Amino acid sequence: AQSVTQPDIHITVSEGASLELRCNYSYGATPYLFWYVQSPGQGLQLLLKYFSGDTLVQGIKGFEAEFKRSQSSFNLRKPSVHWSDAAEYFCAVGASTGFQKLVFGTGTRLLVSP
Amino acid sequence: DAGVTQSPTHLIKTRGQHVTLRCSPISGHKSVSWYQQVLGQGPQFIFQYYEKEERGRGNFPDRFSARQFPNYSSELNVNALLLGDSALYLCASSPGLAGGRGSYNEQFFGPGTRLTVL
Repeated sequence: AQSVTQPDIHITVSEGASLELRCNYSYGATPYLFWYVQSPGQGLQLLLKYFSGDTLVQGIKGFEAEFKRSQSSFNLRKPSVHWSDAAEYFCAVGASTGFQKLVFGTGTRLLVSP
Repeated sequence: DAGVTQSPTHLIKTRGQHVTLRCSPISGHKSVSWYQQVLGQGPQFIFQYYEKEERGRGNFPDRFSARQFPNYSSELNVNALLLGDSALYLCASSPGLAGGRGSYNEQFFGPGTRLTVL
């Protein structure tokens, strides 16, 4: 069965500083991996996705993530955080066949300090 | 193009009541999935429908049911509401089902319906 672990519940970063959010997954085959962002009271917006190929994927809003098979990780990074990046971030894993159940982690809340 | 729409935005019910939530997918999308997001948690998969048939079900009791209409819109029904059903219910649409590597269909999420059970 698929599972996702986001070990950090909250992270506080100063505006302009770099950011890394951790995600570890468990899945028997090569996974489809996603990062979503959720602002308060809003739905989920896809930041980036990994299906295959280059293990460093670029997303929207200046985010990138690196797939490391040996570590079962898919960490999200951004070189310089803006105050508008404050939100909840979810890592998710999807099955490669059949119906498209996404399994989400519990999320990491990003706070940006001035 | 309009994104995924959900109605109502907010809903307050009392224990034991029944609720119906509605979702309209992106034009051209034939698959709708439903997720429950309890406060402080990540979304949990409830159902996926494709071409009006249930194609996947998560670990939810039979009080939860759904259906998809010929125009691909969908309803999620919850009977005998419990306090623990209070959550944000998210609908996601996609063009179709996963079809193997390289053909995964991205899911696009709506803004959700906030259900409060008192």
